[in-house]
Amino acid sequence: DAKTTQPNSMESNEEEPVHLPCNHSTISGTDYIHWYRQLPSQGPEYVIHGLTSNVNNRMASLAIAEDRKSSTLILHRATLRDAAVYYCILRDVGSGGSNYKLTFGKGTLLTVNP
Amino acid sequence: NAGVMQNPRHLVRRRGQEARLRCSPMKGHSHVYWYRQLPEEGLKFMVYLQKENIIDESGMPKERFSAEFPKEGPSILRIQQVVRGDSAAYFCASSPRPISGVYEQYFGPGTRLTVT
Repeated sequence: DAKTTQPNSMESNEEEPVHLPCNHSTISGTDYIHWYRQLPSQGPEYVIHGLTSNVNNRMASLAIAEDRKSSTLILHRATLRDAAVYYCILRDVGSGGSNYKLTFGKGTLLTVNP
Repeated sequence: NAGVMQNPRHLVRRRGQEARLRCSPMKGHSHVYWYRQLPEEGLKFMVYLQKENIIDESGMPKERFSAEFPKEGPSILRIQQVVRGDSAAYFCASSPRPISGVYEQYFGPGTRLTVT
């Protein structure tokens, strides 16, 4: 999987929007951009994924740069329950090989202040 | 819908004992994955199984570790003769048949193994 770069940590206030960046300058044309998060003492949880277009779901939005070399996960109104480590992961669906393996980096630790 | 279930949630073993970790995938999911998270590290892929088949065990240590996903019952990750370095959180994930090559994985709460 291509490499991603995320800030080690970010801080936000409750009920404010949060923009979590991810750089993936070596992304290939068949790489999907996935986001997972891991709350304290829990397993990772799928958040959202996209290929080229921006995506929205009930949890978050994913904004993908036009050149696809970066993306931003947007939490529209952070709550205390959003405090977690957020992982940006690329998955190559074109390889036909081991794209089932999720490669977790260190992610971004999001702290939400009340 | 019940999520991925893992038991036990916490397991304490003495060095040299065996550890058996169980994972029941989500209903309708026939693909199971095991990951290990060592203290202060990210999750690492261990093994990918489908019913009665090991598809990829490239992340499994060569010795003492084995995994199975029988036709009936949960998937089992077995660690023989545990050592202190096996202390970690072990997460199981499951997925349905992939759509467009994308395997969305749903994780269980993990089993925290402590070797004393």
